[in-house]
Amino acid sequence: GAGVSQSPSNKVTEKGKDVELRCDPISGHTALYWYRQSLGQGLEFLIYFQGNSAPDKSGLPSDRFSAERTGGSVSTLTIQRTQQEDSAVYLCASSLLGHRNEKLFFGSGTQLSVL
Amino acid sequence: KNEVEQSPQNLTAQEGEFITINCSYSVGISALHWLQQHPGGGIVSLFMLSSGKKKHGRLIATINIQEKHSSLHITASHPRDSAVYICAVRSNYGGSQGNLIFGKGTKLSVKP
Repeated sequence: GAGVSQSPSNKVTEKGKDVELRCDPISGHTALYWYRQSLGQGLEFLIYFQGNSAPDKSGLPSDRFSAERTGGSVSTLTIQRTQQEDSAVYLCASSLLGHRNEKLFFGSGTQLSVL
Repeated sequence: KNEVEQSPQNLTAQEGEFITINCSYSVGISALHWLQQHPGGGIVSLFMLSSGKKKHGRLIATINIQEKHSSLHITASHPRDSAVYICAVRSNYGGSQGNLIFGKGTKLSVKP
């Protein structure tokens, strides 16, 4: 596709359930980021993938959070045993790292609500 | 202290006014981004700067590497410019060089 695609756009789940959020970056982009944004707050870094390098997981808030990026393309963010404080918009972005006129391209996000 | 500081946090302007949003950072960087987020909308990249100045329509972004400071200017502001403007830097120290550090954003409201 032409842009970064995230699915689902909305997810309502019960406390304690596991959820999977998906991100399809722009084809050819080697860098992929996950962020979350709580209502009225700034962007909180979660994890960063760059090519075949080991991902930077320093932003993951707990061991309930994990992410994969298969084949250097699609990424899945998994939250196990969800808690109410996990409710937020989860945003994915991709970029072509090192390109002179590099821009970040963001998906529309997944609104996660944990009841 | 946050590594990326934006000012002001909130800004209300009248249509037609010249607007400046500031971003200061305390780390070494390879690039700085200005992003725009409309209410309920996605995030759009406005500029990526590593030096000097860039202009796109009514938007101008400048960066002073020595002073570790960037400004985003909007000329002839319009209500449709109302959004949150976010500054983000790509750090070049240690760890992962791809990590971006975000400011908390400046919420701009332009009144007709």
